[in-house]
Amino acid sequence: GAGVSQSPSNKVTEKGKDVELRCDPISGHTALYWYRQSLGQGLEFLIYFQGNSAPDKSGLPSDRFSAERTGGSVSTLTIQRTQQEDSAVYLCASSPRDRTNQPQHFGDGTRLSIL
Amino acid sequence: GESVGLHLPTLSVQEGDNSIINCAYSNSASDYFIWYKQESGKGPQFIIDIRSNMDKRQGQRVTVLLNKTVKHLSLQIAATQPGDSAVYFCAEQNYGQNFVFGPGTRLSVLP
Repeated sequence: GAGVSQSPSNKVTEKGKDVELRCDPISGHTALYWYRQSLGQGLEFLIYFQGNSAPDKSGLPSDRFSAERTGGSVSTLTIQRTQQEDSAVYLCASSPRDRTNQPQHFGDGTRLSIL
Repeated sequence: GESVGLHLPTLSVQEGDNSIINCAYSNSASDYFIWYKQESGKGPQFIIDIRSNMDKRQGQRVTVLLNKTVKHLSLQIAATQPGDSAVYFCAEQNYGQNFVFGPGTRLSVLP
């Protein structure tokens, strides 16, 4: 079966541009997560979606970051007016139900480089 | 041996030896723990998990040990192989809350 799919795998853009990153979770998984991973660092939580519940946005670093999940499946993470410090790998993960006591299945990420 | 510097801690082991990767977690209320493996250019891959009502759990060639008294988690890999070379992360969770991930340890398997 297909795993979590993220696109694009790499994105290079100029400072100030907006970018959109896409995540296709595993079919049937109700929980979806976005993380950011800077070079040599651990994973930084950004946002969590669970079914039709209001998302947990507590990890979004600024109002330039937003995410949505349409139809309980595909999610997009949007970064407006990108800054150089936004350069990182953005990872998406999904799990079959909520985030309680179960592992997440990760995609291979989008490597974002801001020039 | 294991070293800590400006970059990720690195553990170098000879092929065929056993590896032990350590993780100190921060929240005494955490009740669920996971080890992930991340290869270069890939996303983290689940290895093994353990709940706080256990102190040891075994998988295929891997064992996780949990010491709640000192908030310490370890991953043991038996008969380490070149394919085990990767960065290993621990993650902790306090029931229903977000996972908190450690910075990772790079395992390097020497021929």
